[in-house]
Amino acid sequence: NAGVTQTPKFQVLKTGQSMTLQCAQDMNHEYMSWYRQDPGMGLRLIHYSVGAGITDQGEVPNGYNVSRSTTEDFPLRLLSAAPSQTSVYFCASSQGLASSGANVLTFGAGSRLTVL
Amino acid sequence: GQQVMQIPQYQHVQEGEDFTTYCNSSTTLSNIQWYKQRPGGHPVFLIQLVKSGEVKKQKRLTFQFGEAKKNSSLHITATQTTDVGTYFCNGKSTFGDGTTLTVKP
Repeated sequence: NAGVTQTPKFQVLKTGQSMTLQCAQDMNHEYMSWYRQDPGMGLRLIHYSVGAGITDQGEVPNGYNVSRSTTEDFPLRLLSAAPSQTSVYFCASSQGLASSGANVLTFGAGSRLTVL
Repeated sequence: GQQVMQIPQYQHVQEGEDFTTYCNSSTTLSNIQWYKQRPGGHPVFLIQLVKSGEVKKQKRLTFQFGEAKKNSSLHITATQTTDVGTYFCNGKSTFGDGTTLTVKP
């Protein structure tokens, strides 16, 4: 079982470039989410999805787009990268919603993004 | 919106000393989770507390959920170098900022 797989592990972009961070899980989890982690600021929720075809905004959604065409995949798109988006990005999945008992998050290994 | 505050932000201890981190939510939680992130790694689930006043133990780690279900704590007895990392609480998909523990051998 691979769990949650994120690619790429490292990426350097120039301001204004676009890119997609990939996230795939093989646990048949309904809930998937993206967090960014900045020094001293913990994990902040960017976007999340409660199932295929359904996405919603988290705490810091500006500058990011997501889609959920399949249960397995939840890519995060940066349309025009900015230096403020330099961060470590984590994808996470769980069986159920935060309010349920089946909401233990499994995290990917992370993607470290630098925007110059 | 909901806020989850965690203190202290950093804790440096001598190996063998105890360590405690506290988590406080601005709203009542249905459950609270604790995660550990080793340096350079990703958060890994430790435990989930659901009941008011619940106490759970994992070897040297003791987790408590407050009676009002708005606060929680993680206590490590006799820290070891393997305990190094950042400990996060999570309530309703909102993470605290974490407590980073360093242990001096």
